[in-house]
Formats: sequence, structure tokens, C-alpha cells
Amino acid sequence: DTGVSQDPRHKITKRGQNVTFRCDPISEHNRLYWYRQTLGQGPEFLTYFQNEAQLEKSRLLSDRFSAERPKGSFSTLEIQRTEQGDSAMYLCASSFSGFTEAFFGQGTRLTVV
Amino acid sequence: EDQVTQSPEALRLQEGESSSLNCSYTVSGLRGLFWYRQDPGKGPEFLFTLYSAGEEKEKERLKATLTKKESFLHITAPKPEDSATYLCAVQGNSGYALNFGKGTSLLVTP
Repeated sequence: DTGVSQDPRHKITKRGQNVTFRCDPISEHNRLYWYRQTLGQGPEFLTYFQNEAQLEKSRLLSDRFSAERPKGSFSTLEIQRTEQGDSAMYLCASSFSGFTEAFFGQGTRLTVV
Repeated sequence: EDQVTQSPEALRLQEGESSSLNCSYTVSGLRGLFWYRQDPGKGPEFLFTLYSAGEEKEKERLKATLTKKESFLHITAPKPEDSATYLCAVQGNSGYALNFGKGTSLLVTP
């Protein structure tokens, strides 16, 4: 399978716990994006990497959220001290350089109880 | 700030009943407009990219068109398997993020 892979697909956590999600992009893609989507809404941009450099972060991104992309390959998104409002689908996407389409993974569904 | 508005929010069609979905946008320097299809519980699936006014793209029963202010996704003779949420997104000069609309939920009944 050469698509974008996300792990885990589902995560249930207690409020206040930390969670980490992983994204493996399409291997030739040097751009990687994280989005969050809640029910009835379109995906909301969180952050963007070009290779290993994090070039853009949404101003809506709380300081409880941190993302990394070591060596420009896979990426992780960590949420510290989770809150119920963090419950959402977290989507990862990757693309080539330039203004081209991004391909999405199947997402990680986070439920904070 | 880039804005994307999709209409209608929901659309119900009979199988074979053609229609169009609308995506209105405001963006500082359009770099690309993207259409995606999303099935429940899954990530968006890429359909089309449009870069300039007048451009058209087709795939099976779907055709996307672009003007300077809006894009249309035309669905010709839809089938029940076309039922999904269709998302529109724009990329402008302000950065590399795709800014999405809320989507149009399409239901095609036999």
C-alpha cells in the first residue's frame, strides 16, 4: 500500500492524559500536513512540514499540541493534557512540492472521556 | 483571510437526476482549488485540482469547473455509490494550507 498511513485508527483516552499519533506519508512526498475535523465541519488546518522543517502552524493550535517530523519521513502529533474539546478526527496528508493536491490518510479518531 | 462557502449543505437526488454543487471562495491569489470526496469515517479522497478560471476537469460522472469566484461540481446521472460528502478547498498566497469548506452531503437514492 503506497498511500498515507495513520496509526492508531481509534484512540479513547481519559481527560488529562497525553496522546501521540503517527503518520507515514507517501514516500516521495516532501510536504506533510496535519488537520483536525469535527462532525459536520470540513478539515481544519493545524500544521505543515516541508521535509523536517515545520513551516506553518495555525494560530488556533494550542500550546498543548506539538508535532515533529524527524528526518523528513514520518510525523508524530502529540496532544498533552487532553480535554474533551480535543475529541475529533485527526487527519494527515502529504503532497509533492509546488501547488499540488494533498493525499489524505484514513485519520485517527480521538475520543476524550 | 481565505474563505470557502459550499452550498447546499445537503442534497438528496434520485438516481439519474443530475445536479450541481457550488463552492464560492475568496482568496488572496488563488494557487489551486481542490475537490475531495469523503465517505463516513474515512479520510478525504482527492478528485480534482483546478488552477485558473475557465479550467474544467472530468472523471466518470463528475465534472468540475472554475470561475474567478466559484467552482461547480456537476454530477451527471448519479448513482447511489456517489453518495458522500463533497469537500472544496482553496490554496492561496497566504501559505501552503488548504482551506476547506464545510462540505455538501449528497445522498442518491435508487
